[in-house]
Amino acid sequence: EAGVAQSPRYKIIEKRQSVAFWCNPISGHATLYWYQQILGQGPKLLIQFQNNGVVDDSQLPKDRFSAERLKGVDSTLKIQPAKLEDSAVYLCASSFRNPGGNYEQYFGPGTRLTVT
Amino acid sequence: QKEVEQNSGPLSVPEGAIASLNCTYSDRGSQSFFWYRQYSGKSPELIMFIYSNGDKEDGRFTAQLNKASQYVSLLIRDSQPSDSATYLCAVPYSGAGSYQLTFGKGTKLSVIP
Repeated sequence: EAGVAQSPRYKIIEKRQSVAFWCNPISGHATLYWYQQILGQGPKLLIQFQNNGVVDDSQLPKDRFSAERLKGVDSTLKIQPAKLEDSAVYLCASSFRNPGGNYEQYFGPGTRLTVT
Repeated sequence: QKEVEQNSGPLSVPEGAIASLNCTYSDRGSQSFFWYRQYSGKSPELIMFIYSNGDKEDGRFTAQLNKASQYVSLLIRDSQPSDSATYLCAVPYSGAGSYQLTFGKGTKLSVIP
């Protein structure tokens, strides 16, 4: 079974530029998450989708970040304009419900963003 | 929002020893707990989950849960240099139709050959 796919793997941009990240979840996983992980920290949830609907975007900085999941499969996360503090790894994860009733999350390889 | 606390380390153990990683959480209603391993420059990898009080063993890994003390731990027996990584504890939060994980900051483990 293929894992969560993300692209690009690395991106370097200047502040005030825009950037977009793409994610393709594991086939059949209805729930998709975007996380931001700053060096030395655990992943921090930005947004959660269930199929093509947003379940929780309370921690998404909506003045500069946006995300969509058209057709309930692939998702894109955009930052416009980028700030220096956005330098981080952006992780996409998808989850399924196991027989015990709990959801197991699996992560993609991440996109390392450097804002200069 | 749930709080998940981990000692950031680094925790250094000699090869072959038992590594003990600890995690405390704030919400008494938490029912399940996840351990992720993250190698430097890589994404988190799910290695264990535990729902019930007591121990759960999987190969060299044992997860221990004590809900009364709000404490979950991960033991790695016969530690190998390849176990050197950051270990993240994660606790689910369910509400308003969502199911999310709150992660600790992680404990960095170094296994010394």
